Amino acid sequence: KNQVEQSPQSLIILEGKNCTLQCNYTVSPFSNLRWYKQDTGRGPVSLTIMTFSENTKSNGRYTATLDADTKQSSLHITASQLSDSASYICVVSEEDGNNRLAFGKGNQVVVIP
Amino acid sequence: KAGVTQTPRYLIKTRGQQVTLSCSPISGHRSVSWYQQTPGQGLQFLFEYFSETQRNKGNFPGRFSGRQFSNSRSEMNVSTLELGDSALYLCASRWVSGSVADTQYFGPGTRLTVL
Repeated sequence: KNQVEQSPQSLIILEGKNCTLQCNYTVSPFSNLRWYKQDTGRGPVSLTIMTFSENTKSNGRYTATLDADTKQSSLHITASQLSDSASYICVVSEEDGNNRLAFGKGNQVVVIP
Repeated sequence: KAGVTQTPRYLIKTRGQQVTLSCSPISGHRSVSWYQQTPGQGLQFLFEYFSETQRNKGNFPGRFSGRQFSNSRSEMNVSTLELGDSALYLCASRWVSGSVADTQYFGPGTRLTVL
């Protein structure tokens, strides 16, 4: 069973609207959680990283939240733009000193005009 | 500062052949990791190299191997290719500072198609 589950698998939103992506994980002990954006045909690019003590982190129109107690994270996209069309990948790092990472399968977002 | 580069960007091979992919990390980064990405499985960790030594290894068969050179450049080799090896192979580098928050920087990937 995958240690990181993302939902919804895909969604279509109108330009200018907001959306929220979910990430639930079972990785333990937890070290940090990252959200990456991957454009089609490109490698993932880091958006945010949060450690255990952080519960919110923003990067422009992207805001990530983390609830380490319930092992849930969300990525909120505000006032979506066409360029936000991409796959958003949640990555959770295990605190074992070996940089062991668990990857979600991604949320595929399509923004339409 | 130049980003992570991977060559070639696209590759077509036939079953049974072998392939070597190359990755040049960001200058100063000594850790290089390799991932396989497929639509059904998402990103899967292959292995990580640091200072020419393999630090971690994912659950892939021995047909997948890698190495790292003294200049931190890394190569990945897949022998006896199978149809299921068709995927996007991503390389990522990071500066190992000891912080748990070291960010990985990904290259554009090599798209491998096995016919």
